[in-house]
Amino acid sequence: EAGVTQSPTHLIKTRGQQATLRCSPISGHTSVYWYQQALGLGLQFLLWYDEGEERNRGNFPPRFSGRQFPNYSSELNVNALELEDSALYLCASSFGSDGYGYTFGSGTRLTVV
Amino acid sequence: KQEVTQIPAALSVPEGENLVLNCSFTDSAIYNLQWFRQDPGKGLTSLLLIQSSQREQTSGRLNASLDKSSGRSTLYIAASQPGDSATYLCAVIDDYKLSFGAGTTVTVRA
Repeated sequence: EAGVTQSPTHLIKTRGQQATLRCSPISGHTSVYWYQQALGLGLQFLLWYDEGEERNRGNFPPRFSGRQFPNYSSELNVNALELEDSALYLCASSFGSDGYGYTFGSGTRLTVV
Repeated sequence: KQEVTQIPAALSVPEGENLVLNCSFTDSAIYNLQWFRQDPGKGLTSLLLIQSSQREQTSGRLNASLDKSSGRSTLYIAASQPGDSATYLCAVIDDYKLSFGAGTTVTVRA
């Protein structure tokens, strides 16, 4: 069974540009979560999608947005990139939201220069 | 707001020694608790999931306990090996998301 896959592995963007990150969940998982892991700040919750809807978001500005497609894959968009957006972005999937356990992808390393 | 604390922040032990990693959380109304391992620059690998109704889970050399009433979980790793060197993260699952501790970075010396 394929795990959670994220693409691209690495992404380098210039300040002010937009970045798009993609995530494919484990087959059968309907919930997708996005987390940001910036250097020295730990894992911060970004967004939760379930059944195509945004269910909740963390304490991030509106330029962080995304969507979930009918096949449950998801993309995270970051507009007007700032240097401090440089981080490892991790996607996780689960079956529903009631704590069946989460499976993470390998992440996308975003570097803003 | 759930706060998750992991102690110690870093640990260095000789090969063969048993490891004890601690995790505490402030709100005991959690669904479950999950332990992860993270290698430098990589994603998270799930180690153990403890359902809220359980008190412990075991997988090979790993054993994790959960005491919801006191807001604590402990991860035990028996007979440590150099390949166990990594950062170990504790995460509590409440409502809709994971709340993570800052992690314990483990170094096992050969």
